[in-house]
Amino acid sequence: NAGVTQTPKFRILKIGQSMTLQCTQDMNHNYMYWYRQDPGMGLKLIYYSVGAGITDKGEVPNGYNVSRSTTEDFPLRLELAAPSQTSVYFCASRLGLAVSYEQYFGPGTRLTVT
Amino acid sequence: DAKTTQPNSMESNEEEPVHLPCNHSTISGTDYIHWYRQLPSQGPEYVIHGLTSNVNNRMASLAIAEDRKSSTLILHRATLRDAAVYYCILRDRRSQGNLIFGKGTKLSVKP
Repeated sequence: NAGVTQTPKFRILKIGQSMTLQCTQDMNHNYMYWYRQDPGMGLKLIYYSVGAGITDKGEVPNGYNVSRSTTEDFPLRLELAAPSQTSVYFCASRLGLAVSYEQYFGPGTRLTVT
Repeated sequence: DAKTTQPNSMESNEEEPVHLPCNHSTISGTDYIHWYRQLPSQGPEYVIHGLTSNVNNRMASLAIAEDRKSSTLILHRATLRDAAVYYCILRDRRSQGNLIFGKGTKLSVKP
């Protein structure tokens, strides 16, 4: 299994541009999450999904959109990029059963908005 | 959500045990205690979790105080690869598994 994969690894955007961060997991996990991590800080939850077709907002959803059309994919869309969105973005997944507590994280996408 | 308090940083010598403390005085009866760590330039990885009893796995041990207001992550023999930021996180078992990360403890390991 590849686990959780994220593309791209790095990206530089100009203010006002848009982009989609891709996240794919091959573990048949029901739950998927998007976090952002600013320098020297912990991760903050942007959006999450408990299954295909179901998404919900996390702590910092403004400026982002998500969709979950398949179990495997959970893309994060940035519309009208702003410098405040400069961060490292991590996608994670979890099986979702009551006995499954472990979240598996991807390697991250480092985004700079200038 | 209940909060956790961890020291900003700790140092250890290679091959010695490391005890990473975490205070969570407002923990509720439905909160699990999770530990994750983040190696440099990587995503976080799960270390261990527990509810009331002490827990052991191949990576570490988790010691939970009897009143559950604090816990300690124990690395039995630190290696250079254990240098990372360690996060102590409370997760309500009724939630959707969302994790709330603080700043964690940055562990440095000296050879």
